[in-house]
Amino acid sequence: QKEVEQNSGPLSVPEGAIASLNCTYSDRVSQSFFWYRQYSGKSPELIMSIYSNGDKEDGRFTAQLNKASQYVSLLIRDSQPSDSATYLCAVSSNFGNEKLTFGTGTRLTIIP
Amino acid sequence: DADVTQTPRNRITKTGKRIMLECSQTKGHDRMYWYRQDPGLGLRLIYYSFDVKDINKGEISDGYSVSRQAQAKFSLSLESAIPNQTALYFCATSDRTAIRAQHFGDGTRLSIL
Repeated sequence: QKEVEQNSGPLSVPEGAIASLNCTYSDRVSQSFFWYRQYSGKSPELIMSIYSNGDKEDGRFTAQLNKASQYVSLLIRDSQPSDSATYLCAVSSNFGNEKLTFGTGTRLTIIP
Repeated sequence: DADVTQTPRNRITKTGKRIMLECSQTKGHDRMYWYRQDPGLGLRLIYYSFDVKDINKGEISDGYSVSRQAQAKFSLSLESAIPNQTALYFCATSDRTAIRAQHFGDGTRLSIL
């Protein structure tokens, strides 16, 4: 079983709609959770981080964390064509250990 | 200027050659990492370093070595390159705060023929 799992997609969403990206993780002691956006051929760019159960909002992005169910999600409101990218979920598995474990990413396409 | 700079950006070389990829950062971060990215496999950690005197193997260190020459510099070497080391390589940095978010360089696209 992979430590961090994401649906590889592609996920197609109409422009202006809400895109919902999901990620599950296997290590129950995971402490820190991150979403990165990666455009084709480019480097991953950090867009959200979350550490506590619940929702965290930043502009059009909302990260949701449920440690009991071991999932973290990313919602993108009012999706724009520029949001088309691969979204990587990353988890810091051990407290005090700064190693990140990445999922393989979900490819999101926003349809104009 | 980029905070995390990788050189070269692209490299094509032959099997058996020694290759060095370099990473330098101006973020003042203590921690530096090397990853490779392959289609369908995501980002995999090769080596990481928490300070100049600390080097640790990641999940796929075989065939690679690293050197942390200074706080700001972390290089990755392939002593004898093989075709299955063809990949996109990223350097990343992070600081000591609880955030632990990593910041990536622009990557090196390496092709081994």
